[in-house]
Amino acid sequence: RKEVEQDPGPFNVPEGATVAFNCTYSNSASQSFFWYRQDCRKEPKLLMSVYSSGNEDGRFTAQLNRASQYISLLIRDSKLSDSATYLCVVRAGTYKYIFGTGTRLKVLA
Amino acid sequence: DAGITQSPRHKVTETGTPVTLRCHQTENHRYMYWYRQDPGHGLRLIHYSYGVKDTDKGEVSDGYSVSRSKTEDFLLTLESATSSQTSVYFCAISVDRDQPQHFGDGTRLSIL
Repeated sequence: RKEVEQDPGPFNVPEGATVAFNCTYSNSASQSFFWYRQDCRKEPKLLMSVYSSGNEDGRFTAQLNRASQYISLLIRDSKLSDSATYLCVVRAGTYKYIFGTGTRLKVLA
Repeated sequence: DAGITQSPRHKVTETGTPVTLRCHQTENHRYMYWYRQDPGHGLRLIHYSYGVKDTDKGEVSDGYSVSRSKTEDFLLTLESATSSQTSVYFCAISVDRDQPQHFGDGTRLSIL
């Protein structure tokens, strides 16, 4: 089993739709959680950190479920510009950052 | 955007040649990292640094070495490049080890 698992997608959604991705992790001692977005042939860019109580940044909401060991990302009112690959990142040790392979999102006009 | 510059951006070289990739930051962050990204894998840590001359191995360090003689520069060296090292290499920095990392633009390296 991979330490961090994501559905590769693609998730094809119309503009304006709400879409959610999950990411599961295997190490119950994981300490920090992040979502990054990566555009084709570009570097990963931090989208948001994920806090235990859940957090929101505009149209994006992230949640953490420690009991079931997953984090989620919800995107409301999808824009064409949201099309990208979304990477889940889990810090499982002092310098041990584990990156998921990403979920690809395509927002369709 | 975080002030991180990677050079070169693209390189094609032959098996057996030495290759050095450079990461330069203007943020004065203590922590720097080298990752590689390959299809079917998440980013994988090659080496990291927690200060000048303080470096350690990541999960895929075989065949790579690093040096950090100044806060702003972190060099990754492939002593004798192999085709399995064809990849996209990303440098990242963070202000502290539990803070999010910010990435450079990447280096596309092809070993023929």
